[in-house]
Amino acid sequence: DTEVTQTPKHLVMGMTNKKSLKCEQHMGHRAMYWYKQKAKKPPELMFVYSYEKLSINESVPSRFSPECPNSSLLNLHLHALQPEDSALYLCASSHAGGRTGELFFGEGSRLTVL
Amino acid sequence: GENVEQHPSTLSVQEGDSAVIKCTYSDSASNYFPWYKQELGKGPQLIIDIRSNVGEKKDQRIAVTLNKTAKHFSLHITETQPEDSAVYFCAASRSQTGANNLFFGTGTRLTVIP
Repeated sequence: DTEVTQTPKHLVMGMTNKKSLKCEQHMGHRAMYWYKQKAKKPPELMFVYSYEKLSINESVPSRFSPECPNSSLLNLHLHALQPEDSALYLCASSHAGGRTGELFFGEGSRLTVL
Repeated sequence: GENVEQHPSTLSVQEGDSAVIKCTYSDSASNYFPWYKQELGKGPQLIIDIRSNVGEKKDQRIAVTLNKTAKHFSLHITETQPEDSAVYFCAASRSQTGANNLFFGTGTRLTVIP
């Protein structure tokens, strides 16, 4: 069982909807990530939070808005998405502090935009 | 930025045979090279990693080799079993702002034929 929990597992939304993806971890990790994965492709980094501060934004469109309310939670707010945004959205966490190490991934939220 | 290439994109082997997947990277500052296994409907899971101060690492049936000069690294799986069937991603990273910035290869779909 993964120690990174993502909800919902599946989400269908229209282009005018507002929805949110949620991620939670209780491993004491201080770095959290959002990745986007299209079918048969590798995960693409979207955002990185380090000590609850946004440290990396990989030029993601503003219709995706991340939020890190505390060290255990990471949200991704979705608004006015396009059909091409349909993908698997993966949350991950890791230790922070300057030493590279394992990323722990959740099972993902599969998003379909109609 | 970093560019990671991975070959082959698909690999079929008979149960009990060995499988080798190869990756190259472009950023000479990358210092951490993990391999992730992604099973259907799940998030990627770390199976082995290697840091730039080591040339080889082994964990039971899995081994990774790194050639810093040539900027390539490889995954070796011996005595393959059907449960090894999955998509494997290599990745490269250098510590940045206290968190990982993993760049993934394009993935290899490994099928182990019983």
